[in-house]
Amino acid sequence: NAGVTQTPKFRILKIGQSMTLQCAQDMNHNYMYWYRQDPGMGLKLIYYSVGAGITDKGEVPNGYNVSRSTTEDFPLRLELAAPSQTSVYFCASSQYNSPLHFGNGTRLTVT
Amino acid sequence: AQKVTQAQTEISVVEKEDVTLDCVYETRDTTYYLFWYKQPPSGELVFLIRRNSFDEQNEISGRYSWNFQKSTSSFNFTITASQVVDSAVYFCALSEVLNQAGTALIFGKGTTLSVSS
Repeated sequence: NAGVTQTPKFRILKIGQSMTLQCAQDMNHNYMYWYRQDPGMGLKLIYYSVGAGITDKGEVPNGYNVSRSTTEDFPLRLELAAPSQTSVYFCASSQYNSPLHFGNGTRLTVT
Repeated sequence: AQKVTQAQTEISVVEKEDVTLDCVYETRDTTYYLFWYKQPPSGELVFLIRRNSFDEQNEISGRYSWNFQKSTSSFNFTITASQVVDSAVYFCALSEVLNQAGTALIFGKGTTLSVSS
């Protein structure tokens, strides 16, 4: 049972480059989330989805985009990478009001 | 506004000491859930407990216990007889109803616990 799978684990980007962080879950969860974790700041919600075809902004959505074409996948897109996007990104999934199941994270550095 | 405050940034204890991690929350919702997660040095996030706002019973699981007090909006976490393996960052989180009728979690900034031998 894989749970929530994130790829890649690590990535270094140059300023202005773009990339997609992949996230897949095999638990048939309706809800999926992207959080970013900065040192000493906890986790902040970037985007979320309540089902295929439905996404919405969280607390810190600027500079990111998402899509949810299937229940399983919820990729996060960075179009023009900036140093402020250096962070650890976590994808998670859940059912309503249930604990979030997190992936192992993607450590992104933008230089 | 929804908010979770973990006032203790870092705590250091010696093995076998008891330690309590504080969590205070603010919410406009009448029904909500509270959570604790552990993030060991390896970086993954491990779910520890979920508590419904209607259930104020204390919970004990081995060396871990949780004290939920609605009157003071607190959900504190105690580790009894701490061990080196308890060294981690601990996050308290609060459920939040979202625009699309889903829920997400609002996290506190975390408390880093260091247990030395």
